[in-house]
Amino acid sequence: GAGVSQSPSNKVTEKGKDVELRCDPISGHTALYWYRQSLGQGLEFLIYFQGNSAPDKSGLPSDRFSAERTGGSVSTLTIQRTQQEDSAVYLCASSFSVADGRFFGPGTRLTVL
Amino acid sequence: DAKTTQPPSMDCAEGRAANLPCNHSTISGNEYVYWYRQIHSQGPQYIIHGLKNNETNEMASLIITEDRKSSTLILPHATLRDTAVYYCIVRGHNNNDMRFGAGTRLTVKP
Repeated sequence: GAGVSQSPSNKVTEKGKDVELRCDPISGHTALYWYRQSLGQGLEFLIYFQGNSAPDKSGLPSDRFSAERTGGSVSTLTIQRTQQEDSAVYLCASSFSVADGRFFGPGTRLTVL
Repeated sequence: DAKTTQPPSMDCAEGRAANLPCNHSTISGNEYVYWYRQIHSQGPQYIIHGLKNNETNEMASLIITEDRKSSTLILPHATLRDTAVYYCIVRGHNNNDMRFGAGTRLTVKP
């Protein structure tokens, strides 16, 4: 498709389990971002990838969170030992460069029981 | 990033122009104005951005005042599907973070 896609759309997990969230950016976009949004809240920046540069991980809330981007395209966000406060919608976005407008995917709604 | 101020809510009649204001009086010379919107239960959607010149695309027009301390997003013919929260964001061109404020909740009424 032409837009950013994310999978799964919904994920329910038990506290303490690990989860992996996937993002397929728009083809040709070199910049990729992960955000999360809790119910009724604004966006919280998590991590940013630009080409082959080292990612900006300054927004990751704890060392339980990690992300990688393989081949400059698909990205995976991993949350280890999930906690209830991790419950949120995780949004991925991509853009041609950091200066351009960002195109968001539909998000993954994560619920930690 | 410069702080922005937007009205919390606005109404607009279907088919009329929606004019959404944003104040950013502390904007610095290298900061751009970006507009996004978020329709309920969907991810944010990029609309338009600009530095100092007015911009227009297929979705909207962006009018930036000469002193750059405020801007207006114009949806020329609002439809019911334009009902959303609209966010005005000011950030440096190379700043990879982007923080949404409270935005303006636009309700387009038939």
